[in-house]
Amino acid sequence: DGGITQSPKYLFRKEGQNVTLSCEQNLNHDAMYWYRQDPGQGLRLIYYSQIVNDFQKGDIAEGYSVSREKKESFPLTVTSAQKNPTAFYLCASKRSRLADYNEQFFGPGTRLTVL
Amino acid sequence: QKEVEQDPGPLSVPEGAIVSLNCTYSNSAFQYFMWYRQYSRKGPELLMYTYSSGNKEDGRFTAQVDKSSKYISLFIRDSQPSDSATYLCAMSGRGNYGQNFVFGPGTRLSVLP
Repeated sequence: DGGITQSPKYLFRKEGQNVTLSCEQNLNHDAMYWYRQDPGQGLRLIYYSQIVNDFQKGDIAEGYSVSREKKESFPLTVTSAQKNPTAFYLCASKRSRLADYNEQFFGPGTRLTVL
Repeated sequence: QKEVEQDPGPLSVPEGAIVSLNCTYSNSAFQYFMWYRQYSRKGPELLMYTYSSGNKEDGRFTAQVDKSSKYISLFIRDSQPSDSATYLCAMSGRGNYGQNFVFGPGTRLSVLP
């Protein structure tokens, strides 16, 4: 089955620790995205990548880092510099960075809780 | 002013009711308008998308876009308990600007049996 997988589903972190959230897609999509979802605030864009070895900051990139070494993988690291990391994190992908519109597909999400 | 506004609800309706969900936006560059459905603790899934103004129907769902008023709507006919979810509107422009979507905060809908 084609789709987007995220792991782990639930993640607990102590303050001061870095954690990495995994996102993998087998849809052969060019573009990948990371969003953060908090109650009442919708989806906010953290980072996006339109092609391998290139990525751009979104609206709330501070305290996060990403890499895009392979087309199918776009891991997100939540660093200790992120002041309020407890949230639901969603990874998404889209077929082409060149087309005006392509559907953006979402993974199942990772719930991160800072203890 | 936020770029996309949406009443967060919660909205509770009896089974069989017609549901109206709405979003307003401020950026006239938006050309594509999407509605996503998100069940609790799951990723959003695309319900419908519309290009520019007009109506689009798919089964019990109808999407309307009024670009002159910067207002979009999603109507659900004969609502079912399985429609209980959060509904997110999303928008994007064309070309390079259109690469990123802007999401509303979502409206939480409960359809009561």
